[in-house]
Amino acid sequence: GAGVSQSPSNKVTEKGKDVELRCDPISGHTALYWYRQRLGQGLEFLIYFQGNSAPDKSGLPSDRFSAERTGESVSTLTIQRTQQEDSAVYLCASSPFRSGGEGYGYTFGSGTRLTVV
Amino acid sequence: GQSLEQPSEVTAVEGAIVQINCTYQTSGFYGLSWYQQHDGGAPTFLSYNALDGLEETGRFSSFLSRSDSYGYLLLQELQMKDSASYFCAVRDDNYGQNFVFGPGTRLSVLP
Repeated sequence: GAGVSQSPSNKVTEKGKDVELRCDPISGHTALYWYRQRLGQGLEFLIYFQGNSAPDKSGLPSDRFSAERTGESVSTLTIQRTQQEDSAVYLCASSPFRSGGEGYGYTFGSGTRLTVV
Repeated sequence: GQSLEQPSEVTAVEGAIVQINCTYQTSGFYGLSWYQQHDGGAPTFLSYNALDGLEETGRFSSFLSRSDSYGYLLLQELQMKDSASYFCAVRDDNYGQNFVFGPGTRLSVLP
């Protein structure tokens, strides 16, 4: 697609429920990232996928968080047993990955605003 | 680990020039990026510096000094639409291939 697409744009869930967030990266972008942004804060790295390599999960805050990606396409971020501190905007980004590719930057989606009540 | 510092807020008037500083501490520095984020919007990529010096893109320029672990974003001929949050981000090869973002600087442009 023309940009990174995330769904849903907004999600309100009850504490303890599981939620699944979806990200469609730009076609041809091999790298995909998930970040979390709390209100008025910076971006907190969660997980990184690069092609068929093992994902870098070093930013996942707890074992309630998991993510999957099928090949170089859609990714889903799952949060189990949601807590109020999970309330944030979850941003997905993709980028082309080749030598020197950092100069292209990340293209972010508009995010999913998650509210846990 | 890595840490980045930015001023939390900057205010300037239309037509002025403003500089947003970023200092970082990393062990395997690879590059510094800048992103702009309007309220409620997605961050958008502005620039990337891997080597020392100034990179210019229209009204925006970005500078890097690797020896000082310091960079800045320079915005010239400020416009009201430049009111946004600006984030610096570093890639540290000792911590994978993701960028770590700073806390952000909120720029307010006044008429």
